[in-house]
Amino acid sequence: DTGVSQNPRHKITKRGQNVTFRCDPISEHNRLYWYRQTLGQGPEFLTYFQNEAQLEKSRLLSDRFSAERPKGSFSTLEIQRTEQGDSAMYLCASRTDREVNTEAFFGQGTRLTVV
Amino acid sequence: RKEVEQDPGPFNVPEGATVAFNCTYSNSASQSFFWYRQDCRKEPKLLMSVYSSGNEDGRFTAQLNRASQYISLLIRDSKLSDSATYLCVVNPYGNKLVFGAGTILRVKS
Repeated sequence: DTGVSQNPRHKITKRGQNVTFRCDPISEHNRLYWYRQTLGQGPEFLTYFQNEAQLEKSRLLSDRFSAERPKGSFSTLEIQRTEQGDSAMYLCASRTDREVNTEAFFGQGTRLTVV
Repeated sequence: RKEVEQDPGPFNVPEGATVAFNCTYSNSASQSFFWYRQDCRKEPKLLMSVYSSGNEDGRFTAQLNRASQYISLLIRDSKLSDSATYLCVVNPYGNKLVFGAGTILRVKS
């Protein structure tokens, strides 16, 4: 296991199309996070899972965004009816819950461009 | 008020300088704190966790002030390779991790 894996690395889509991203966390990590990052900003929290349960979803997230983590392993993030404002880097991170200060490991992200 | 706030910088310093960043957080019940480093167009990576008693890792020292609700990062003897964006991360409750906007550091020869 070489770390958190995200696919695809890049996605260009036309406005109004649906897109889906995948994240494969480190295998023993039960917590999985999704973030969105735009230029000059820090990662913005979208949602997180503990195993298969989605425990929190940002209020900033519109109903066009949905995330799943079936079986508590990989996760998918879907954006429906994409808008130009959705263009960003989408980052996935995972961590264990063994201790309070455990490190979150990030994938290399999926860069979405909506044209 | 944002949950986590940082001075965006940039901090432009010469090699060998000492530089310090602060970060404030709004939730007094926050449980854990971290500094992450992010290089241009790369994913964030953990620099160090921040413990209540303060901690040091080589040239890097992190401190937590719960009374004033801020954490700090001190970098001594700056290297060119320290140039990056430094992200303050706070766990306000549960297991949510909230990032600041980041502080840009540029170390010049």
